[in-house]
Amino acid sequence: RKEVEQDPGPFNVPEGATVAFNCTYSNSASQSFFWYRQDCRKEPKLLMSVYSSGNEDGRFTAQLNRASQYISLLIRDSKLSDSATYLCVEDNAGKSTFGDGTTLTVKP
Amino acid sequence: NAGVTQTPKFQVLKTGQSMTLQCAQDMNHNSMYWYRQDPGMGLRLIYYSASEGTTDKGEVPNGYNVSRLNKREFSLRLESAAPSQTSVYFCASRREGIREQYFGPGTRLTVT
Repeated sequence: RKEVEQDPGPFNVPEGATVAFNCTYSNSASQSFFWYRQDCRKEPKLLMSVYSSGNEDGRFTAQLNRASQYISLLIRDSKLSDSATYLCVEDNAGKSTFGDGTTLTVKP
Repeated sequence: NAGVTQTPKFQVLKTGQSMTLQCAQDMNHNSMYWYRQDPGMGLRLIYYSASEGTTDKGEVPNGYNVSRLNKREFSLRLESAAPSQTSVYFCASRREGIREQYFGPGTRLTVT
């Protein structure tokens, strides 16, 4: 079983839609979690950190459920510019493990 | 402030050739990382360096060597390239205590 698993999609949604991605992890000792965004053929960039209490940044909301070992990312009011691959990342003692990514395409 | 830089951007090698990928950061970060990303997949850690003078293996170290030359620079060497090493290679750095990693633009390597 992979350490970090994501639904690869692709998710194709119209502008303005709400879309949610889930990610599961297998290492219960993992300390920190993140969502990174990667545009086609570019380097990944941090989208947001994920906290147990949940955190929100504009249209983006991230949640962590330690008991079930999954994290989620909710995007509200999708924009064309949200089209990208979203990578779920767990971090343990300075080493990061990346999921394979979920591809989102937002269409007009 | 250039962030993380990588050279070269593109490289084509023949099987058995050797080369070194260069990475440098100007953010005074302690930790540096080398990842590879194959098509449709996430990043896999090859090697990392928690501080100057230390290096450790990641998930897929076979066929690679690294050197942490100083705090700024972390190089990745392929001694005898194989087609299975065709990939995009990303270098990243991180300040101690800060979880965000900053990535370079990547090196696209093809081994024929």
